[in-house]
Amino acid sequence: DQQVKQNSPSLSVQEGRISILNCDYTNSMFDYFLWYKKYPAEGPTFLISISSIKDKNEDGRFTVFLNKSAKHLSLHIVPSQPGDSAVYFCAASARTDSWGKLQFGAGTQVVVTP
Amino acid sequence: SAVISQKPSRDICQRGTSLTIQCQVDSQVTMMFWYRQQPGQSLTLIATANQGSEATYESGFVIDKFPISRPNLTFSTLTVSNMSPEDSSIYLCSVWGGEKLFFGSGTQLSVL
Repeated sequence: DQQVKQNSPSLSVQEGRISILNCDYTNSMFDYFLWYKKYPAEGPTFLISISSIKDKNEDGRFTVFLNKSAKHLSLHIVPSQPGDSAVYFCAASARTDSWGKLQFGAGTQVVVTP
Repeated sequence: SAVISQKPSRDICQRGTSLTIQCQVDSQVTMMFWYRQQPGQSLTLIATANQGSEATYESGFVIDKFPISRPNLTFSTLTVSNMSPEDSSIYLCSVWGGEKLFFGSGTQLSVL
């Protein structure tokens, strides 16, 4: 039962434009959300997170938006750069679970073209 | 932040054999987490390794298949036992800190 879904397996965007990655979840107990980036042959690295008490969090070129009523979050990357080409994972944590137990989406492969 | 060293980085194994993956953290941590990423799939938590007690396994994962050791607060091993091609995955060690998970570089396992 996939509780976190990333319905777009891939995304191609031109350098300098905005990348928008989407993530949907089904478990209403999720109250903390994270985005990770993964390059080939490397472990995932943390990008940005958001608590359910907020609807937006921004860190440099990365902004995450949370719509609790729709159980939807999105990651905006602007401007997109060639180094952003990677797989991006959405993850969620429930207040009832221990820290470290995250539910991940299947990932979105982002390709930034010149 | 935490620096996690994981080895081997990759291996190709024969069906029916076992592989032990090692994970070393640069600081003492109470819990270490082992995740698996099957090809084209999301990351799935296998088990939580606590120092001084048995690991806690998630639904669908059992100790006989994935025995875990946690001899001290900076080290853990995960063994993939009696391997089959379905075990071909990336195995990742991780620790929690600063409201995020830190991951090792992963072990790419291919089972023939």
